[in-house]
Amino acid sequence: GENVEQHPSTLSVQEGDSAVIKCTYSDSASNYFPWYKQELGKGPQLIIDIRSNVGEKKDQRIAVTLNKTAKHFSLHITETQPEDSAVYFCAARRYGGSQGNLIFGKGTKLSVKP
Amino acid sequence: GAVVSQHPSRVICKSGTSVKIECRSLDFQATTMFWYRQFPKKSLMLMATSNEGSKATYEQGVEKDKFLINHASLTLSTLTVTSAHPEDSSFYICSARISTGGETQYFGPGTRLLVL
Repeated sequence: GENVEQHPSTLSVQEGDSAVIKCTYSDSASNYFPWYKQELGKGPQLIIDIRSNVGEKKDQRIAVTLNKTAKHFSLHITETQPEDSAVYFCAARRYGGSQGNLIFGKGTKLSVKP
Repeated sequence: GAVVSQHPSRVICKSGTSVKIECRSLDFQATTMFWYRQFPKKSLMLMATSNEGSKATYEQGVEKDKFLINHASLTLSTLTVTSAHPEDSSFYICSARISTGGETQYFGPGTRLLVL
């Protein structure tokens, strides 16, 4: 089955700097990779996702890159702000049909210092 | 984005009682809904997948008689924790996948259960 590894487990950056979180997956059949942001005491919020037919996707300060050959994908947050502080989870699954469920990484706690 | 609600947001109950948690997709129909459990500072653990009108599929190690799931309509799924015990205390989160194409999965705000 699929296995998703996420690094680092904690990340501290200064406001305005960039933050990068990396994930690797094991199942080459996985083709859908969402990222979720979870604030304390709340449910995960989808912030961006990417499918395996594209290599990069951007949404304002957030971007995700995917390397299918190496089976890894990364979340990039530029110009970080204190409100970006949260736990971020990557996930992977097979797209289409009922095969597979989202497999989550263990999360990265991002702290943005003002 | 699509909105998933959960009710209640937190509940405290006595050991031995049953607790029902509701999950609703507010502005879309969800053929498939998911129930997760999350321990402090841990990742999300999938408990079960429910499809509207059929029985839920439980993950290995999850007791189906303990955690009853009903997905009666395209916008509502319920999780009932029966005869709750302190070890059932946790953060329960539901998620819904939009029926009409796509793989996007949206999460509810979670329910904090404390069993005394």
